[in-house]
Amino acid sequence: GENVEQHPSTLSVQEGDSAVIKCTYSDSASNYFPWYKQELGKRPQLIIDIRSNVGEKKDQRIAVTLNKTAKHFSLHITETQPEDSAVYFCAAGGYNFNKFYFGSGTKLNVKP
Amino acid sequence: ETGVTQSPTHLIKTRGQQVTLRCSSQSGHNTVSWYQQALGQGPQFIFQYYREEENGRGNFPPRFSGLQFPNYSSELNVNALELDDSALYLCASSSSGAQPQHFGDGTRLSIL
Repeated sequence: GENVEQHPSTLSVQEGDSAVIKCTYSDSASNYFPWYKQELGKRPQLIIDIRSNVGEKKDQRIAVTLNKTAKHFSLHITETQPEDSAVYFCAAGGYNFNKFYFGSGTKLNVKP
Repeated sequence: ETGVTQSPTHLIKTRGQQVTLRCSSQSGHNTVSWYQQALGQGPQFIFQYYREEENGRGNFPPRFSGLQFPNYSSELNVNALELDDSALYLCASSSSGAQPQHFGDGTRLSIL
């Protein structure tokens, strides 16, 4: 089955700096790669996703890049704000989610 | 548009008991996936239901079973509860056509 590895496990940045979180996956059949933000005690919220036919996607301060050859994808957050502090999860699988796997999470702390 | 709802919110059981968790999918969604999220870890894929049939399964033993009903709502049943089953159980629904899945708030299950 799929194996998704995520690092770092914790990341502390100063407000305004950039944050980068990286994930690798093992199953070459995976074609959908979302990123979720989970605040304490709340549900995971989709923040951005990318499909295998695209190399990069941006949404305001958030961007995701995908390297299918190397089987890795990354989340980039620019101009970080204290409200970006949360746990971020990457995930990989198929479009229909019938085999869908999450990374272990990165706790991002943005210091004011 | 009604989002994904789960019940109950919290549940306390003892070892060896059985439990049933419930999920109502988001309006227009016909697929439901279940995840187990242990404290400090990423969600682990349990299984997915589509058109009332199991459509994919993660690495969980047969004592984890499920149902999907004609209205697309779903149940997760766990028999012979073990201490390690203590976790947040998340339900996510999606529709066909490669649309993102949406999560419920989860059921916090504690095993004593």
